[in-house]
Amino acid sequence: DIVMAQSPLYLPVTPGEPASISCRSNQSLQHTNGKNFLDWYLQRPGQPPQLLIYLASNRASGVPDRFSGSGSATDFTLKINRVEAEDFGVYYCMQALQIPRTFGQGTKVDIK
Amino acid sequence: QVQLQESGPGLVKPSQTLSLTCTVSGGSIRRGGDYYWSWVRQLPGRGLEWIAYIYYIGNTYYNPSLKSRVTISLDKSKNQFFLSVTSLTAADTGVYYCARERVGPDYVYYGMDVWGQGTTVTVSS
Repeated sequence: DIVMAQSPLYLPVTPGEPASISCRSNQSLQHTNGKNFLDWYLQRPGQPPQLLIYLASNRASGVPDRFSGSGSATDFTLKINRVEAEDFGVYYCMQALQIPRTFGQGTKVDIK
Repeated sequence: QVQLQESGPGLVKPSQTLSLTCTVSGGSIRRGGDYYWSWVRQLPGRGLEWIAYIYYIGNTYYNPSLKSRVTISLDKSKNQFFLSVTSLTAADTGVYYCARERVGPDYVYYGMDVWGQGTTVTVSS
C-alpha cells in the first residue's frame, strides 16, 4: 500500500491568515500520463469529507479559489490564501493512483 | 444533483455480519464508464480507510486488508449498492460512508466527488 503522511497534524490559524498543509507519499503518485493522482478533502465536524482538489491541482466544482493545490511525484501542498470560518476542520490527502486508496492521517485546522 | 444515502442496522453483535445499503438518487448507477461506487469508513482515532469499490458492470476492487471479510455488490434496478462485512469485532466500529469516484476514459480522474452523510455502526454485545 502507498503510505501517505501529512504535516503538521494540528494547525492553529487566525481567520484571514494563510495556511499551508504538506502531504508526502512513499511512492510517486505520477501516472504514465503525467498526472499526479492526489486529492485533498475537507471534513467539517459531523460532516462527510468534501472533495476540494483532484489530480493535485484541480479545484473541484464549487470550491473557492482561495484553495490551491500544488506538487508532483511524492510531495504535495494545499494552500489556503486567507482562511475563513467555514474552512476550519480536518484536511486529508488521498492517493488515487493505486488500489487500495489510502489517506493521510489528517490535519486539523483550528481557530487560533 | 446526485445524492447518496447509507442505511444499516446501527448496532451489530460481535462475530455477526454487517449489511449496509447505499441508495443513489438524482442519477443512475447504470451510467457506464464514469463512476466507481465506493465504501469508505472512519474508525475512531484512525482516520479514513478505503474499503472497496464496484463498477456498474460488476467489477469489484477491495482493500487487501479487508478482502477476506468484505463483499461489495450492486442492484442497478434499485439504484443501490451494498457492503457486507463478516466476522465483526469491536475494531469495525465506526462511521461508514458510501461515495462516488468519478472517472473517465484513458485514466481521466475527477476525485470522490459525492459522499453520503455516513451511517454509524457499533459492534457490541
